[in-house]
Amino acid sequence: SQQGEEDPQALSIQEGENATMNCSYKTSINNLQWYRQNSGRGLVHLILIRSNEREKHSGRLRVTLDTSKKSSSLLITASRAADTASYFCATSRNSGGSNYKLTFGKGTLLTVNP
Amino acid sequence: GAGVSQTPSNKVTEKGKYVELRCDPISGHTALYWYRQSLGQGPEFLIYFQGTGAADDSGLPNDRFFAVRPEGSVSTLKIQRTERGDSAVYLCASSQGTIYNEQFFGPGTRLTVL
Repeated sequence: SQQGEEDPQALSIQEGENATMNCSYKTSINNLQWYRQNSGRGLVHLILIRSNEREKHSGRLRVTLDTSKKSSSLLITASRAADTASYFCATSRNSGGSNYKLTFGKGTLLTVNP
Repeated sequence: GAGVSQTPSNKVTEKGKYVELRCDPISGHTALYWYRQSLGQGPEFLIYFQGTGAADDSGLPNDRFFAVRPEGSVSTLKIQRTERGDSAVYLCASSQGTIYNEQFFGPGTRLTVL
C-alpha cells in the first residue's frame, strides 16, 4: 500500500522556472525523503528531512515538512532540462520498529522544456 | 566508490520458470532492501536484511518469493514458478544504518514474464 501521495501527478514547465511538488502522507513518520528517477530505473536520493525539522536546502532544492498537516513540498528553483524526471517522496514510519521501511508515493512526472 | 549494482539489468522469462536476481550493495553497508516497482507506481517494499538475516520479509507477496544474503553482502532474490503478474522492475538498496540513513538504490532489474 502507498502511504505517500504526490501532487500533481504531472507537471510541465519552461527551463528557468521553479517547480513545486507536494507530498501528503497518512501516519506519523521518522523522516521523509525525496528521490528522483529517470526513465523508470534507479532512484537517486535527493534529500532527507527528519520529523523534527521544518525546512532543508540542498543546492537548488528546498524541502519543507509540516507534520501537523502530514505534508511536504519539494521546490526546485531555476529548473533545467536535465531535471526532467519522476520525483517520489518516501516516508519512514514511526511505529512498530519498522522505521527502516520506506513507503513511496506514485510520484510526480516533471517535464522541463528547453 | 562503486554504488549498488544489480544483475541482470533485464530478464525475460517464460511463465512457470525460476529466476534469480542479484544485488551487490555498497561496501560496508549492513542494511539491504529489495523493492518492486510496477509501471506507473512507486516502489513497494519487499524485504529488509540486517547483516545476513532477513529482519523483515513482510512485503514478499507469497511463498514463491525468497531472498538470501548468506555472507552479509551480496543478496539474491529468487522467484519460483514465475507468473505474468511478477513482471516489474526489482530494485535493491543499501544503507549504513536505518532510521536516519538514506538508502542508495541500484539501477534495478526489469523482469518480464511472458
